[in-house]
Amino acid sequence: DGGITQSPKYLFRKEGQNVTLSCEQNLNHDAMYWYRQDPGQGLRLIYYSQIVNDFQKGDIAEGYSVSREKKESFPLTVTSAQKNPTAFYLCASSIDLGGELFFGEGSRLTVL
Amino acid sequence: AQSVSQHNHHVILSEAASLELGCNYSYGGTVNLFWYVQYPGQHLQLLLKYFSGDPLVKGIKGFEAEFIKSKFSFNLRKPSVQWSDTAEYFCAVNHNYGQNFVFGPGTRLSVLP
Repeated sequence: DGGITQSPKYLFRKEGQNVTLSCEQNLNHDAMYWYRQDPGQGLRLIYYSQIVNDFQKGDIAEGYSVSREKKESFPLTVTSAQKNPTAFYLCASSIDLGGELFFGEGSRLTVL
Repeated sequence: AQSVSQHNHHVILSEAASLELGCNYSYGGTVNLFWYVQYPGQHLQLLLKYFSGDPLVKGIKGFEAEFIKSKFSFNLRKPSVQWSDTAEYFCAVNHNYGQNFVFGPGTRLSVLP
């Protein structure tokens, strides 16, 4: 089955540590995205990538970094510079930029 | 900045009641409109979408939505809800195939059996 796989599903970290969330897709989609979901705020775009080796900041990129070395993979690093990292993180992909989004199951990060 | 508002934070209905969830957006140009649903413990999935053409759009599981351009609205409807419709519903707008989907804050629907 084609889809988007995020890992880990749950992650606990201490303050000051960087953490990397994995996102892999086998849909052959060009565009990939990272969103952050907080209660009552909907989804906010962190980073997106239209093609391999290219990515752009979204609305709330500060404290995050990404890479896109392969079409299938778009990992997100939550750095120690992110002031409020505890959240639910969603990865998505689309055939091309602006097309229908397909989502992974999400990763819940809790910083202690 | 563009924004999407959803009228209700939490809606509680009994089975067989009719549903209408409001969605309004602020962008005045050409838009693509979406409703996504997140069932408990599952990933977000597309309910329906509007790109162009007939403003009344039918989606999965008996849902439909009507695009009213003059009101900047894209309300979601279902004539008779079921307990299995309990979920969180998100309206989203993407303007002119741009990179950024703007999502509303979500409406939590609880359907009582």
